[in-house]
Amino acid sequence: DADVTQTPRNRITKTGKRIMLECSQTKGHDRMYWYRQDPGLGLRLIYYSFDVKDINKGEISDGYSVSRQAQAKFSLSLESAIPNQTALYFCATSGAVNQPQHFGDGTRLSIL
Amino acid sequence: GQNIDQPTEMTATEGAIVQINCTYQTSGFNGLFWYQQHAGEAPTFLSYNVLDGLEEKGRFSSFLSRSKGYSYLLLKELQMKDSASYLCAVREGLGAGNNRKLIWGLGTSLAVNP
Repeated sequence: DADVTQTPRNRITKTGKRIMLECSQTKGHDRMYWYRQDPGLGLRLIYYSFDVKDINKGEISDGYSVSRQAQAKFSLSLESAIPNQTALYFCATSGAVNQPQHFGDGTRLSIL
Repeated sequence: GQNIDQPTEMTATEGAIVQINCTYQTSGFNGLFWYQQHAGEAPTFLSYNVLDGLEEKGRFSSFLSRSKGYSYLLLKELQMKDSASYLCAVREGLGAGNNRKLIWGLGTSLAVNP
């Protein structure tokens, strides 16, 4: 079983819909992250959380919200999806501050 | 400002050696990571440098010079499966330890030809 699991793996939806992407991990890490990746723009941080009570905005948080339901679960919501949110979304986790991040397999999201 | 530069694309031949460079300008420095990412897949961790010098891991090595703001990833005995994007990421040095951000480069797409 994967250490960092993202669901769904693929999603096609329409403009204006609410979408939730889920991430769960079995690594026991406190730190969790949501990124999006677009061709030519690289990985961009949306939100991150260092423990259940800690949520921080990344560089592109507008249009997104998150919930850290437990140490192992961190979900990303698009309240009203728009086409420019079409991207590959990754969840990642890490242990201590200088430990590497471990990524889930990604969610490919298309908004029509 | 904060910036990480990597070549966009590189090509190499199977069995050869390739060096992928990364230069950075960040607000302080607290470590540099290299990741490999195959097309459509998740990035996977390759190496970490925080002190100057060379770190070797099998066919892959990574070098860091903090005074020059420079790192490279060296791939030896190239195999077709090494065709992937290689991402350089730097942890900046400002702020409380927990809030030091990880700045990502755009990646270098390496094509290994037979």
